[in-house]
Amino acid sequence: AQSVTQLDSQVPVFEEAPVELRCNYSSSVSVYLFWYVQYPNQGLQLLLKYLSGSTLVKGINGFEAEFNKSQTSFHLRKPSVHISDTAEYFCAVQAAGNKLTFGGGTRVLVKP
Amino acid sequence: GAGVSQSPSNKVTEKGKDVELRCDPISGHTALYWYRQSLGQGLEFLIYFQGNSAPDKSGLPSDRFSAERTGGSVSTLTIQRTQQEDSAVYLCASSLGDRRRTEAFFGQGTRLTVV
Repeated sequence: AQSVTQLDSQVPVFEEAPVELRCNYSSSVSVYLFWYVQYPNQGLQLLLKYLSGSTLVKGINGFEAEFNKSQTSFHLRKPSVHISDTAEYFCAVQAAGNKLTFGGGTRVLVKP
Repeated sequence: GAGVSQSPSNKVTEKGKDVELRCDPISGHTALYWYRQSLGQGLEFLIYFQGNSAPDKSGLPSDRFSAERTGGSVSTLTIQRTQQEDSAVYLCASSLGDRRRTEAFFGQGTRLTVV
């Protein structure tokens, strides 16, 4: 079975400051890794994914994440946030059987 | 269709009544998932379909919950004798299939309120 831990339930950050959202996973088999974003009152949207290859993955809206196999982590970063980045962010893993397992989510509140 | 469509978008029901939630996946997507998102909680897996069969229904919380999929397309999640703790947003997602681990595309969800 797979599990995902998002270490921060809430992250307040000032506009134009950098942000890092932490994600650690546990799995006995190889997995694919994803970050999804959920804006207020909307569905989930894929930010980025790691399937194979380069461990640094770039996604939409200036986000990037780095896969670290030895630390079983997939932290999400953005060098300069905007008010519009206020949302909830979910890390997810996917192994055999195609079931996505999600972390508990991290709420990002960008302050002016 | 262009995206995953769920209906209704909102549903208010009385405790004890049955409800049906519908999901229309993206055309050609053979895998379909149901998740539940309760207020302030993460995403709870309910059931996964590959075609019309459900190889993983481990997340269904009780026998009041059931789901089916017909024609490899539309899926219906049924909750019988609804309870207040069933109040949540029910999300449906679809993806290309189990041998190609591509990302899942989510619908907007059905917000269920049991009063």
